[in-house]
Amino acid sequence: EVQLVESGGGLVQPGRSLRLSCAASGFTFDDYAMYWVRQAPGKGLEWVSGISWKSDSVAYVDSVKGRFTISRDHAKNSLYLQMNSLSPEDTALYYCAKGSRGTIFGVITGWGQGTFVMVSS
Amino acid sequence: DIQMTQSPSSLSASIGDRVTITCQASQDISTYLDWYQQKPGKAPKLLIYDVSNLETGVPSRFSGSGSGTDFTFSISSLQPEDIATYYCQQHDSPPLTFGPGTKVDIK
Repeated sequence: EVQLVESGGGLVQPGRSLRLSCAASGFTFDDYAMYWVRQAPGKGLEWVSGISWKSDSVAYVDSVKGRFTISRDHAKNSLYLQMNSLSPEDTALYYCAKGSRGTIFGVITGWGQGTFVMVSS
Repeated sequence: DIQMTQSPSSLSASIGDRVTITCQASQDISTYLDWYQQKPGKAPKLLIYDVSNLETGVPSRFSGSGSGTDFTFSISSLQPEDIATYYCQQHDSPPLTFGPGTKVDIK
């Protein structure tokens, strides 16, 4: 069974940084693309970033380009999202998600329960 | 970036009714279109991938169709457990954008 457990969320001041982590288990982490998807309170889903199985292809939504960095550690079966220069608009529940294939052009087949990030002074 | 729109934004229907949601992409995405169900307080769940393929374990009352820019999602006979928000998503090119969602509840 696919398990994705996010951590690292919390309250942070505008302009500060935060690093989210996602521990993956129940599947061969090395073989699949991974994603971060966020959901602001009471709003819809927003795809934030994706990384291919080899980490040779990454992509971001325009609103986070230059501020967020996605990465993965195969030895630790973990996905990360380094978030810099945070703004209140980044306040959301951040989901870690698993793709259906190695490339980032895939279906999201598994989701974690999310970690909440609040950006406020 | 590819923009996704959905209609309606919300609907109320009776148990047993057929429910239909439409999704439109701002450019041709072939059949790279998926549908997710999200119940309150829960993570989303994949229902249909590549327009019309049911994910394992998903009831056959759910279906999808379309290609190019126009897509349709249907529930043939609405059940109480189908109360949720439904999102379409394209995986043709990043960012893999979601539609704004359609909230379905019981009349």
